[in-house]
Amino acid sequence: QVQLQESGPGLVKPSETLSLTCTVSGGSISNYYWSWIRQPPGKGLEWIGYLYYSGSTNYNPSLKSRVTISVDTSKNHFSLELTSVTAADTAVYYCARGRGYVSFDYWGQGTLVTVSS
Amino acid sequence: EIVLTQSPGTLSLSPGGRATLSCRASQSVTSNYLAWFQQKPGQAPRLLIYGASSRAPGIPDRFSGSGSGTDFTLTISRLEPEDFAVYYCQQYETSPWTFGQGTKVEIK
Repeated sequence: QVQLQESGPGLVKPSETLSLTCTVSGGSISNYYWSWIRQPPGKGLEWIGYLYYSGSTNYNPSLKSRVTISVDTSKNHFSLELTSVTAADTAVYYCARGRGYVSFDYWGQGTLVTVSS
Repeated sequence: EIVLTQSPGTLSLSPGGRATLSCRASQSVTSNYLAWFQQKPGQAPRLLIYGASSRAPGIPDRFSGSGSGTDFTLTISRLEPEDFAVYYCQQYETSPWTFGQGTKVEIK
């Protein structure tokens, strides 16, 4: 059974960089798309971007200037960096697996990141 | 960007009732790359339907998806107590991938 687990700081100061890692277990990181999605408290879902296992990426234009998604296939994990954060970046961040025609079939449980001084 | 508009915002129904949720796209989703997710409080979304009408593994057959182009529907034929949740549609045909704002199905 594939499982995804987000990890990283729960509190980030304004103007600093948010960094999260998603560890994949029970399956290989190869041959799939790996996405980050976020959800501000009480609001809807926003796709941040994806990385294909080979390393190619695609980011939401609304965040593109601040986002980097990278992969470490040897550790079976992928990571998110979001720079210059503000309170508007406070959200639950999810990692998810994408499989072409199937969309997001496996999700992590999510991690709340609060941006505050 | 494809904007997805879900209606209604809230649906109040009784267990055993039939739920019909709508998702309208601002432009055609020509390859039917349209998914539906269920989200309960404090949980990650769960994939119900992909490709507009294919049920994900383990999803009961009371959930069905239909539609094409710009108009899509999720139907829950007989609501079970565990089906009361928020439902999101999502298109993954055109970048940026986008979600609807959600429909809450609540107990009447």
